[in-house]
Amino acid sequence: DIQMTQSPSLLSASVGDRVTLSCKASQNIYKYLNWYQQKLGEAPKLLIYYTNSLQTGIPSRFSGSGSGTDFTLTISSLQPEDVATYYCYQYNSGDTFGAGTKLELK
Amino acid sequence: EVQLVESGGGLVQPGRSLKLSCLASGFTFSNYGMNWIRQAPGKGLEWVASISSSSSYIYYADTVKGRFTISRDNAKNTLYLQMTSLRSEDTALYYCARRRTGIDYWGQGVMVTVSS
Repeated sequence: DIQMTQSPSLLSASVGDRVTLSCKASQNIYKYLNWYQQKLGEAPKLLIYYTNSLQTGIPSRFSGSGSGTDFTLTISSLQPEDVATYYCYQYNSGDTFGAGTKLELK
Repeated sequence: EVQLVESGGGLVQPGRSLKLSCLASGFTFSNYGMNWIRQAPGKGLEWVASISSSSSYIYYADTVKGRFTISRDNAKNTLYLQMTSLRSEDTALYYCARRRTGIDYWGQGVMVTVSS
């Protein structure tokens, strides 16, 4: 089974900061990776699919990159409404979620 | 607008059964694979099961294999999850989600609590 490791588990940043979240797969998943945002008490929302494609309606400050085993979600300028937990998810072989990165304001 | 509305959750004793439903609207249900994903209180997301558009392909997480059954009725635009031999570790919020480029749309979830 493919394991997904996200880092850090908790990230504190200030409004306007450039924020980078990491996700590593235990084996090659090519580009079959999505990123989801989950705010407290809400269902997850798709931000990025197939590593770097922005879902409709998602602000352009969110971007994704990577391939193979190493992936990154970047928020170019952190906004207060971005406080949430972010999950990566691979669908190359089976389905696996990372444990999440909780993003809070400093 | 894609909508997924789960129902059927509640409090159930260990060893008993429960059946969840998910009513889909806003898209052609019969064209898409579907998933169940769960989230234990305060924990992360765990994929539970997937079913293809015509029910030809079905997959389960090892943690529920042999106890849970995913199914669908395309005429009723409804996805199901039959859960048997429930355990305390099955306590979670269960999400129904559409399968497209992985998983795109999610329902709001239905809570299942397994406790005596």
